[in-house]
Amino acid sequence: DAGVTQSPTHLIKTRGQQVTLRCSPKSGHDTVSWYQQALGQGPQFIFQYYEEEERQRGNFPDRFSGHQFPNYSSELNVNALLLGDSALYLCASSEPGTASSYEQYFGPGTRLTVT
Amino acid sequence: LAKTTQPISMDSYEGQEVNITCSHNNIATNDYITWYQQFPSQGPRFIIQGYKTKVTNEVASLFIPADRKSSTLSLPRVSLSDTAVYYCLAPRNQGGKLIFGQGTELSVKP
Repeated sequence: DAGVTQSPTHLIKTRGQQVTLRCSPKSGHDTVSWYQQALGQGPQFIFQYYEEEERQRGNFPDRFSGHQFPNYSSELNVNALLLGDSALYLCASSEPGTASSYEQYFGPGTRLTVT
Repeated sequence: LAKTTQPISMDSYEGQEVNITCSHNNIATNDYITWYQQFPSQGPRFIIQGYKTKVTNEVASLFIPADRKSSTLSLPRVSLSDTAVYYCLAPRNQGGKLIFGQGTELSVKP
């Protein structure tokens, strides 16, 4: 049973560019959350998707947007990249009916470097 | 939202028991205390969750006193592979929005 998968593993972009990160939730999970983790810091909540809609959003600008597909996979898009967007981007999924659960399954993350 | 405070770092040796205490003075009645573990270059992993008294699983034990203003994660007989960052969360139920602090960086030495 595959866990949460994310692609790509690493990515290097230039300031001002746009990036799309992808996530496939753990089999049977329907809720996907995205987090940003800067070096030496804990993960920060970006947003959560359930039933193809954004349910909750953290304190991130509109440059950060997302999407959830009918198969529950998700994308995170970041426009007009800034140097400060360099971080590990984590995707987490949770079981049906437990969207408010504290037990989330995290993927390995995508390391984004903005130069 | 319950703010948590935990030590920035701890050192231990293989075979010892490690106790990491987390303070959450303004925890709400319906808050659960949850702990995650994160290895370098990996996503966090759920370890244990509790509401009061003691919870034990195959990985750790969680001790919560009656006033619930603190909790202690206990790792029995640690090994080098337990070197990781441990996060204490006491989130008011916000629909699955996890709030992470800086965590405790545990270093286990031989």
